Amino acid sequence: GDSVTQMEGPVTLSEEAFLTINCTYTATGYPSLFWYVQYPGEGLQLLLKATKADDKGSNKGFEATYRKETTSFHLEKGSVQVSDSAVYFCALSRWSGTASKLTFGTGTRLQVTL
Amino acid sequence: NAGVTQTPKFQVLKTGQSMTLQCAQDMNHEYMSWYRQDPGMGLRLIHYSVGAGITDQGEVPNGYNVSRSTTEDFPLRLLSAAPSQTSVYFCASRGGPEKLFFGSGTQLSVL
Repeated sequence: GDSVTQMEGPVTLSEEAFLTINCTYTATGYPSLFWYVQYPGEGLQLLLKATKADDKGSNKGFEATYRKETTSFHLEKGSVQVSDSAVYFCALSRWSGTASKLTFGTGTRLQVTL
Repeated sequence: NAGVTQTPKFQVLKTGQSMTLQCAQDMNHEYMSWYRQDPGMGLRLIHYSVGAGITDQGEVPNGYNVSRSTTEDFPLRLLSAAPSQTSVYFCASRGGPEKLFFGSGTQLSVL
């Protein structure tokens, strides 16, 4: 079945450091790929998405490129801020029958310090 | 602009008790779903609904019931709570292509 594997956290960075959170997936067909972010005490929010190979999703300085050849969707940001501290979830969506099925990774906690 | 509203935020139950987690959305979304979030396991789909009167099971449906009598509401029922159901529960609705809107969650402890 479908699966998403994320690097384990927590990831601790100093402010203005470069961020990479790795994500790889296993799925049949052509899934859409997502990054969701969960701030403390809140529900998940969509951060960015990509729907086909070589697409780049971007939002709030974060980027991720859909790499079909390596089945990856790594999240990057050039300069993190304290306000980026949150849990980040990689996910894929694939149509199965009449509904799309969303599969989440286990999440990676990011802690940014001054 | 409420979005997806979940109540309660926190709940403690004893084994065998029943309760209902409430979820309401004001965005007129047809698709609604319930997830549970456990450490090291990400989010797992419990039940979902593609419209009023239509529900289906997700990945981990055992011990939970749902119904969808209106577009706005999608309650999740625990008929006889067990310690294994201690978790954080999220309700979500879907608007636009594959974009989920999540509530702020219910933290449930079953003793």
